[in-house]
Amino acid sequence: EADIYQTPRYLVIGTGKKITLECSQTMGHDKMYWYQQDPGMELHLIHYSYGVNSTEKGDLSSESTVSRIRTEHFPLTLESARPSHTSQYLCASSEYGTGKPEAFFGQGTRLTVV
Amino acid sequence: SQQGEEDPQALSIQEGENATMNCSYKTSINNLQWYRQNSGRGLVHLILIRSNEREKHSGRLRVTLDTSKKSSSLLITASRAADTASYFCATDRGSTLGRLYFGRGTQLTVWP
Repeated sequence: EADIYQTPRYLVIGTGKKITLECSQTMGHDKMYWYQQDPGMELHLIHYSYGVNSTEKGDLSSESTVSRIRTEHFPLTLESARPSHTSQYLCASSEYGTGKPEAFFGQGTRLTVV
Repeated sequence: SQQGEEDPQALSIQEGENATMNCSYKTSINNLQWYRQNSGRGLVHLILIRSNEREKHSGRLRVTLDTSKKSSSLLITASRAADTASYFCATDRGSTLGRLYFGRGTQLTVWP
């Protein structure tokens, strides 16, 4: 069982609300990721972090923002949620670059914006 | 943009049969990984094959890699109903920075 946790698991929220999706890992991994996945579809990388205070946008443009103030914590924030943001958001971490490139995923947050 | 293209998109077999899924990619890679996702859950790492390897085994899993064809296959032998899930390949596009790019996945259904 991977030590990476996402909260909440499910979130239904109204348009215009600000939301933060939490992701924490206890493995001390430097690399952390946020992916967006629609049902039955591929994962799209939306944010990536090399380490503390180091974040980059992924290939899929996203209106969300992230921060990495602590190694173990990588929250994702949507300032003003819209129905187009409805999706599943998956957080992951890895030790890529240390000879252990496999990623560990959280259980995901299914977001519905109404 | 999508890196891996899994094929087929959906596969339906009976318990005990073998399941083969393919992945094609477009760039150079350092390694290729396969992941499994149960419905509505996170992904679980299954197996990794490095670019200088051609075949790897782990339990009922067998992975092959052909870098000249930029393709990989995942074979699950003697499948079980519990193997029902989506299977994704992921690559690093040759970078050592740690970004992982996933394909669309193959939805495998194993009937009892």
